Amino acid sequence: DGGITQSPKYLFRKEGQNVTLSCEQNLNHDAMYWYRQDPGQGLRLIYYSQIVNDFQKGDIAEGYSVSREKKESFPLTVTSAQKNPTAFYLCASSMDGGFDGYGYTFGSGTRLTVV
Amino acid sequence: GNSVTQMEGPVTLSEEAFLTINCTYTATGYPSLFWYVQYPGEGLQLLLKATKADDKGSNKGFEATYRKETTSFHLEKGSVQVSDSAVYFCALSGWGFQKLVFGTGTRLLVSP
Repeated sequence: DGGITQSPKYLFRKEGQNVTLSCEQNLNHDAMYWYRQDPGQGLRLIYYSQIVNDFQKGDIAEGYSVSREKKESFPLTVTSAQKNPTAFYLCASSMDGGFDGYGYTFGSGTRLTVV
Repeated sequence: GNSVTQMEGPVTLSEEAFLTINCTYTATGYPSLFWYVQYPGEGLQLLLKATKADDKGSNKGFEATYRKETTSFHLEKGSVQVSDSAVYFCALSGWGFQKLVFGTGTRLLVSP
C-alpha cells in the first residue's frame, strides 16, 4: 500500500546537536510538506517543496533546513539554531500541491525531545 | 487573505450525543474544503471533503456541507462514540494557494 513513512517515531537528542528526521513517500506525489505541532496547538508550516530540487520556507523556517534531491524523500534537519526544538513533527505529501481538491496525505509523525 | 476559523475546544459530549463543530472560511475564488481528524499521538487523516458549493462530504457517520452563501463547512455527526475522541481540523485549498490552509483544530472529548 502506498503511504508516507516517517522515522523514527520517537527521537531524543542532546541540546546543541543537529538531528535529521526522515520522510519517504511512495505515492508518486510531487509536493511535500513539513509541519510542527506543539501540545494542544495547531499545525505550523516549516518548509514545503512543490518539485524536486526546489523548496520554499513556510511560516517558521528559522533553525530548520531541508533538501529535496529525490521525489520520494524530503528530510528535515533540526539545527542547533532552533531555540525550542522539542515538538511533534508531521510530514505530508500532495498530488497537486493542494490546488485542486486532493488534499494531503500525512505521515504518522516523529516526536522529537531535546534534553 | 485565505483563512479558516474553527470553534474553540474542547467540545465535551456524552456518548450518543449530537455533534457540531463549526468551521467558517475566507477565500478568493472557489476553494475545496476538508475535514481532517488526528487521534492521540498520530498524524492527520482525511475524514471528508467537498470540492464545490452545496456538495456534502460524508464518512464514518460524519457529514459536512459546503455552504458558499454562509462560507461555512460545519462538521456534524448524529451520535458520537468514545472512539471519536480526537482533534478535528478544517482546511481549504484552491487554485494558486500552493498549500492547504488549516484551522487551529477543535478537540472533541466523548465520555461513556
